[in-house]
Amino acid sequence: EADIYQTPRYLVIGTGKKITLECSQTMGHDKMYWYQQDPGMELHLIHYSYGVNSTEKGDLSSESTVSRIRTEHFPLTLESARPSHTSQYLCASSDPLDMKGYTFGSGTRLTVV
Amino acid sequence: AQSVTQLGSHVSVSEGALVLLRCNYSSSVPPYLFWYVQYPNQGLQLLLKYTTGATLVKGINGFEAEFKKSETSFHLTKPSAHMSDAAEYFCAVSPSGNTPLVFGKGTRLSVIA
Repeated sequence: EADIYQTPRYLVIGTGKKITLECSQTMGHDKMYWYQQDPGMELHLIHYSYGVNSTEKGDLSSESTVSRIRTEHFPLTLESARPSHTSQYLCASSDPLDMKGYTFGSGTRLTVV
Repeated sequence: AQSVTQLGSHVSVSEGALVLLRCNYSSSVPPYLFWYVQYPNQGLQLLLKYTTGATLVKGINGFEAEFKKSETSFHLTKPSAHMSDAAEYFCAVSPSGNTPLVFGKGTRLSVIA
């Protein structure tokens, strides 16, 4: 059973549109992450949060923003979608010391046309 | 900075043969190490982890990995491959509980009947 939920699973959207990818978890984890996954599999960290009102940028500048108003919710927003944003986006959460590893959502596959 | 190198972007084995997926890491401190598996159109699922203690770690689906500090390696093995093992496999390292996981580029495992 999934403890971390991402919606939508698939999204096709036109260039210039604003979109928000949703991520929610029911485990009470303080730490949450967004990764962008290339078609060739590699994962790139784009944003993370260690608690409410705390967000950090990762290694990849994806022209996106995140918010963390509630512990369980960590949405990712693209203000103006471009074809280069076409990718799979994975959300994850972890316990405070990461000792159990990350729990991943099923991902959102985004296509910008 | 921490990094993870997975040797071989694609590994192909026969059903029943040994599976060996290689992972080397660099870390300035004793790391936490993880292996994840990803099936098509899904998120990542934790296979096994090393945090402290016994260096031979057993995971799900018959996989195991051995932490070798002298070789900075954490190779994943399974004695006998099954068709259902065909998937993408990712090695990841975390130097502590306060920095996000760094993932390798992944290895695609194919199992031939």
